[in-house]
Amino acid sequence: DAGVIQSPRHEVTEMGQEVTLRCKPISGHDYLFWYRQTMMRGLELLIYFNNNVPIDDSGMPEDRFSAKMPNASFSTLKIQPSEPRDSAVYFCASSLVGTQGQPQHFGDGTRLSIL
Amino acid sequence: DAKTTQPNSMESNEEEPVHLPCNHSTISGTDYIHWYRQLPSQGPEYVIHGLTSNVNNRMASLAIAEDRKSSTLILHRATLRDAAVYYCILSRGTSYGKLTFGQGTILTVHP
Repeated sequence: DAGVIQSPRHEVTEMGQEVTLRCKPISGHDYLFWYRQTMMRGLELLIYFNNNVPIDDSGMPEDRFSAKMPNASFSTLKIQPSEPRDSAVYFCASSLVGTQGQPQHFGDGTRLSIL
Repeated sequence: DAKTTQPNSMESNEEEPVHLPCNHSTISGTDYIHWYRQLPSQGPEYVIHGLTSNVNNRMASLAIAEDRKSSTLILHRATLRDAAVYYCILSRGTSYGKLTFGQGTILTVHP
């Protein structure tokens, strides 16, 4: 079975440029999560969606970050303009709706470097 | 959200059992206990979860204390591939899906 697919795997760009990270969740999953991981702050939840609707975006660091889920099989996380402190590994995860405790399935992440 | 406490690091030898402890003294009745692990350069991977009873799956066992204030992840025979950061996480019933990752336990497995 295909897992969560993220693209690109690596992104290097100049400060001030727009960055778009993409995620395809596991088919049939109703929840989609975006996380960010840095050495300093560890793994942080940025935002999550249920049935394509954003439920909790309290982890989004600032207005430069935005996330969309136009349909059940695709989501984007956009940073505009990007800054060096945005350099991190960004993970997407998805899970099934159902009883509490359903596991989240993570992608391999996008390693983002802002120069 | 209720907080978990884990040792920063642990070591084990290959083919020996490993017991990874987690304290969660402020756990509430609706909190599930989740364990995830993260291998180098990979995304976190689900290991096991439970509510009140001990749980077993093909990867590990989860032993939950009777008062639920602590739990232990048991890897029955460690392999080199089990070297990873192990996260113990509580998820509250009222905030479905929200997992707050701490620093976890770095497990080193010696050949």
